[in-house]
Amino acid sequence: KAGVTQTPRYLIKTRGQQVTLSCSPISGHRSVSWYQQTPGQGLQFLFEYFSETQRNKGNFPGRFSGRQFSNSRSEMNVSTLELGDSALYLCASSYDYKPKNIQYFGAGTRLSVL
Amino acid sequence: AQTVTQSQPEMSVQEAETVTLSCTYDTSESNYYLFWYKQPPSRQMILVIRQEAYKQQNATENRFSVNFQKAAKSFSLKISDSQLGDTAMYFCACLSGTYKYIFGTGTRLKVLA
Repeated sequence: KAGVTQTPRYLIKTRGQQVTLSCSPISGHRSVSWYQQTPGQGLQFLFEYFSETQRNKGNFPGRFSGRQFSNSRSEMNVSTLELGDSALYLCASSYDYKPKNIQYFGAGTRLSVL
Repeated sequence: AQTVTQSQPEMSVQEAETVTLSCTYDTSESNYYLFWYKQPPSRQMILVIRQEAYKQQNATENRFSVNFQKAAKSFSLKISDSQLGDTAMYFCACLSGTYKYIFGTGTRLKVLA
């Protein structure tokens, strides 16, 4: 079974641009969560989608948005990029949102904002 | 608000020895789950071990075990017979009724040959 796939692996953008990151969950998984990882802050929860609906959202500005498609693939968008958005963005999938189901993580997308 | 604190930014251990990573958490929920995740230098995060708060018995997975002290809100990870492949960032996480995972800032563990 293929794991969680995130594309692209690396991105370099400049301030003010927007970016879209993609996540393909493990086959059969319907829940997808996104996290921002920075050296000082650790992992911070961005949002979670289940069956195309956003179930949960972290404390990030509205510039961060996401969506989930009918095949469970998810995209995350960041508009008007700021230097502080430079981070590793991780996607995780699970069968559903219930805690008994393990989250499986992708390798992440490293975003650098210049 | 839920918080998870890992007070050891970096640790090192000799191969074959035992090391304990600390984690404290705070939640107002009565039912919650605690996790330790490992992130090797290749970056793919994997689950090491998890504990359900209502279970008093400490979880164990091969060389990995936890010391869950519910009253003290402490959840430490013990790695026995450390191996070079255990070198990684270790994150403690808590999941409660809001279904939001809250992660600590991580402990970088280096296993020395």
